[in-house]
Amino acid sequence: ETGVTQSPTHLIKTRGQQVTLRCSSQSGHNTVSWYQQALGQGPQFIFQYYREEENGRGNFPPRFSGLQFPNYSSELNVNALELDDSALYLCASSQGPWTDTQYFGPGTRLTVL
Amino acid sequence: TQLLEQSPQFLSIQEGENLTVYCNSSSVFSSLQWYRQEPGEGPVLLVTVVTGGEVKKLKRLTFQFGDARKDSSLHITAAQPGDTGLYLCAGAGNTGKLIFGQGTTLQVKP
Repeated sequence: ETGVTQSPTHLIKTRGQQVTLRCSSQSGHNTVSWYQQALGQGPQFIFQYYREEENGRGNFPPRFSGLQFPNYSSELNVNALELDDSALYLCASSQGPWTDTQYFGPGTRLTVL
Repeated sequence: TQLLEQSPQFLSIQEGENLTVYCNSSSVFSSLQWYRQEPGEGPVLLVTVVTGGEVKKLKRLTFQFGDARKDSSLHITAAQPGDTGLYLCAGAGNTGKLIFGQGTTLQVKP
């Protein structure tokens, strides 16, 4: 077990709604990265937060946004949900930005109807 | 754009057989990692390879990093049903983010 926790485990939303997913990083880790994993695919990088600032972003639209708090926990917010946003959302924590070793949480399964 | 291609995408074998999964790119990576993911869980790191030509062994699993640091392979000897899962390779890209391959789904039948 990595010590990275995510909530909720599962979530069902309808198109156009907004969702907030939460992640608690492993003790001693100051960096959180978020990934989207479609069924049967590898995870795709959404963005990374280091010391409460966004520190890199993948190819995702602005309706995907995030926050990191002083205790290094993090939120992923998605506005105006689309059907294609249905996926497993993973967060990973690490001891610093751009370090190779990232520890993943169990993920949040989001279904958009 | 840095991409990682994994092959095969699906593999179904009998217990006791050997198998190899490949991870290829046209780009150089500073390191490559292999993860295993089970349904409903996040990826779990198996190994990180850093040096070109490096070989690492983890019990029945052997990982190799290509000399040019553009490719890697995972070889499993005498596969067991407990090896069933999604195997992912990931490279540390030039912006530091992890770039994942599309994964190899392995099913080992008893």
